[in-house]
Amino acid sequence: DADVTQTPRNRITKTGKRIMLECSQTKGHDRMYWYRQDPGLGLRLIYYSFDVKDINKGEISDGYSVSRQAQAKFSLSLESAIPNQTALYFCATKSSGTETQYFGPGTRLLVL
Amino acid sequence: SQKIEQNSEALNIQEGKTATLTCNYTNYSPAYLQWYRQDPGRGPVFLLLIRENEKEKRKERLKVTFDTTLKQSLFHITASQPADSATYLCAPSGGFKTIFGAGTRLFVKA
Repeated sequence: DADVTQTPRNRITKTGKRIMLECSQTKGHDRMYWYRQDPGLGLRLIYYSFDVKDINKGEISDGYSVSRQAQAKFSLSLESAIPNQTALYFCATKSSGTETQYFGPGTRLLVL
Repeated sequence: SQKIEQNSEALNIQEGKTATLTCNYTNYSPAYLQWYRQDPGRGPVFLLLIRENEKEKRKERLKVTFDTTLKQSLFHITASQPADSATYLCAPSGGFKTIFGAGTRLFVKA
């Protein structure tokens, strides 16, 4: 089984709808991250969490919210989806004191 | 603001040759420099990490250099194979922060 899983893998939604992307990990890492990736751009950080009670905004948090339900689960919500949120979304985990991040397989989101 | 630059144009090389990818960064002094591989539609996978006090790091056919004066890292794949075709992301990191470059697409022709 994969160490970092994301659901759904693909999602089509309409403008104005609320959607949630979920991430689970079995690596036992304390830190979790949400990124979006657009063609020609690097991974951009949306939110990150150092532990269940420590959640921080990244460089592009507007229009997004997150929830860290447990150490192993970190969800990303789009409260009211808009077309420019169409992108590939990745969850990643990391253990504090290390640098390497472990990524999930991604969620491809299309907002019509 | 901090900026990471990788060759935006794809790199095409012949099988067996050495591929060299460049990463330049500005307004940043990372303690580490990481390289990741990303295949189409998949998440990035960690390859190598080099520390600021290391000049060079090797792992099998991979070699990374880190020049903190030039603010540059070079990533080499020797004896390249078609299976090495992918996008390679540079990621300077340190101080709770990792910044990912947009990546360089590598095509290795048989």
